[in-house]
Amino acid sequence: SQKIEQNSEALNIQEGKTATLTCNYTNYSPAYLQWYRQDPGRGPVFLLLIRENEKEKRKERLKVTFDTTLKQSLFHITASQPADSATYLCALNYGGSQGNLIFGKGTKLSVKP
Amino acid sequence: NAGVTQTPKFQVLKTGQSMTLQCAQDMNHNSMYWYRQDPGMGLRLIYYSASEGTTDKGEVPNGYNVSRLNKREFSLRLESAAPSQTSVYFCASTLSSYNSPLHFGNGTRLTVT
Repeated sequence: SQKIEQNSEALNIQEGKTATLTCNYTNYSPAYLQWYRQDPGRGPVFLLLIRENEKEKRKERLKVTFDTTLKQSLFHITASQPADSATYLCALNYGGSQGNLIFGKGTKLSVKP
Repeated sequence: NAGVTQTPKFQVLKTGQSMTLQCAQDMNHNSMYWYRQDPGMGLRLIYYSASEGTTDKGEVPNGYNVSRLNKREFSLRLESAAPSQTSVYFCASTLSSYNSPLHFGNGTRLTVT
């Protein structure tokens, strides 16, 4: 079965640095991959979606890459701020129906001033 | 613009009691989902409804039933609650069942004693 792994449970960085979060998957490549942000006591909030034929996607200070050879997606936050502190989830679709969307366990990012 | 609204926010049940978690969305989305989130397990899909009138099992459906009451509302029922169902439950919706982001509610925190 398809598995998805976010390598780090927690990542601590200094304000102003670039945070890089990793999402790896096994088996076959998904049609697309999504990244979400989750704050304590709240539901996940969608950030970015990248399709299998796209290498890179950007939105303001956020950048996502998708490498189907390595079976990996990287999520970057440049010029990080304490307000970026949250848990970040990756999710991938491995079939035609959104019902087949599976989530990683998340990486908790802490940005220190 | 409320988005996805879940009720109640908190609930404590005794083993064997039943309850229904309510979810409503006001974005005219076609697809709706119920996930549970447990520490160390990530988000796991319980049931989903790709469109009004249809429901399908997800990864962890045992012990739950769902009803897609209309396009706006999707409820989750626990007929006989068990301590293993202690979790945070999230409802989500999306415009179509493929290739579009999920919009989550802020969850129901359920404790079964």
